Amino acid sequence: AQSVSQHNHHVILSEAASLELGCNYSYGGTVNLFWYVQYPGQHLQLLLKYFSGDPLVKGIKGFEAEFIKSKFSFNLRKPSVQWSDTAEYFCAVNARSNYQLIWGAGTKLIIKP
Amino acid sequence: EAGVAQSPRYKIIEKRQSVAFWCNPISGHATLYWYQQILGQGPKLLIQFQNNGVVDDSQLPKDRFSAERLKGVDSTLKIQPAKLEDSAVYLCASRASGTGANVLTFGAGSRLTVL
Repeated sequence: AQSVSQHNHHVILSEAASLELGCNYSYGGTVNLFWYVQYPGQHLQLLLKYFSGDPLVKGIKGFEAEFIKSKFSFNLRKPSVQWSDTAEYFCAVNARSNYQLIWGAGTKLIIKP
Repeated sequence: EAGVAQSPRYKIIEKRQSVAFWCNPISGHATLYWYQQILGQGPKLLIQFQNNGVVDDSQLPKDRFSAERLKGVDSTLKIQPAKLEDSAVYLCASRASGTGANVLTFGAGSRLTVL
């Protein structure tokens, strides 16, 4: 069965630190990959997505993610975090053959001012 | 464009009571999803509609949960009777049709607390 694993449930960083959140999935076929973010008190919103092409994708607010097919990974990165990046981040995957999203458990990111 | 509307935002009920949640997707979005998000977990798909037809309800606890989308627009999710473990946020999401439309837009969610 397909699954998505996010390596850390909680991450605490200071402002200006670099961020990398891990995401690995299990599925042998062609996939679409997503990172969603949920800021405190707000709804889930799309941060970035990968469908095809350049495996390094850039999203909103300075985030980027790299799809490494050989490692079944889609890690999220940001070179310098801000206090406003405090949120919960979800990785999600769906097989190209359908639109059923499989979700990771989420990573709660806290940025200390 | 207007987003996905959900109501109520918060609901507190006692176990064995019933509750209903409403969702109005983005205009023109044919696909509508209901997810359950328990604290500390990712969203879990309960049911997916394509227009007014059910595409996937394999994870819907049908003995107590029901959902409908009679006219292919807004949708209602009902729980009857509620259990303590139903405490969660119920998320509605919608998606446009077509192979290029592969992104879900979520509503703010309805937070249910069962006492």
